[in-house]
Amino acid sequence: GNSVTQMEGPVTLSEEAFLTINCTYTATGYPSLFWYVQYPGEGLQLLLKATKADDKGSNKGFEATYRKETTSFHLEKGSVQVSDSAVYFCALLNQAGTALIFGKGTTLSVSS
Amino acid sequence: DADVTQTPRNRITKTGKRIMLECSQTKGHDRMYWYRQDPGLGLRLIYYSFDVKDINKGEISDGYSVSRQAQAKFSLSLESAIPNQTALYFCATSDFRLGQETQYFGPGTRLLVL
Repeated sequence: GNSVTQMEGPVTLSEEAFLTINCTYTATGYPSLFWYVQYPGEGLQLLLKATKADDKGSNKGFEATYRKETTSFHLEKGSVQVSDSAVYFCALLNQAGTALIFGKGTTLSVSS
Repeated sequence: DADVTQTPRNRITKTGKRIMLECSQTKGHDRMYWYRQDPGLGLRLIYYSFDVKDINKGEISDGYSVSRQAQAKFSLSLESAIPNQTALYFCATSDFRLGQETQYFGPGTRLLVL
């Protein structure tokens, strides 16, 4: 079946540090992949997405590349800010297009 | 104004009570979803609906029911609440007619079952 595995948190970084949050998936075919972000007390917001192999999604300085060879979609940012502190969820859309399958989430805490 | 709203935002209830969580959207989307979020487990799909009167079970539908009487509204009911239904509940919408796979989430309802 479909599943998403994210690195466990919390991830604690200093401002301007480099961020990587690992995400790998198991799925039938080549699903669309997503990163959602949840700021404290809020709902999830789409951060970026990629719909086919080798696509790179990017937004707000974050990037992730769809790697079918390694079934991965790692999230990266070159220089994090305190305002990036949030929970990040990797997700895939199932083959039927009916549901998102989420990872467990990774908490990022950035200090100044 | 928010595109996807949920009411109530917080609710405390007792074991055995029936409660309803409401979701409304102004995005004009055809698809709506209910998820629950538990610490360390991510989000899990409870029910989803592709159109009015269309209802489909998700991964964890036991103990829940839903109603989609209008395109803009999707309600979730707990017929007889139990403590392990304590969680954060999210409604989401998407517009598959435009080939859009992105789901848009409401702010969540925090439910505590005593």
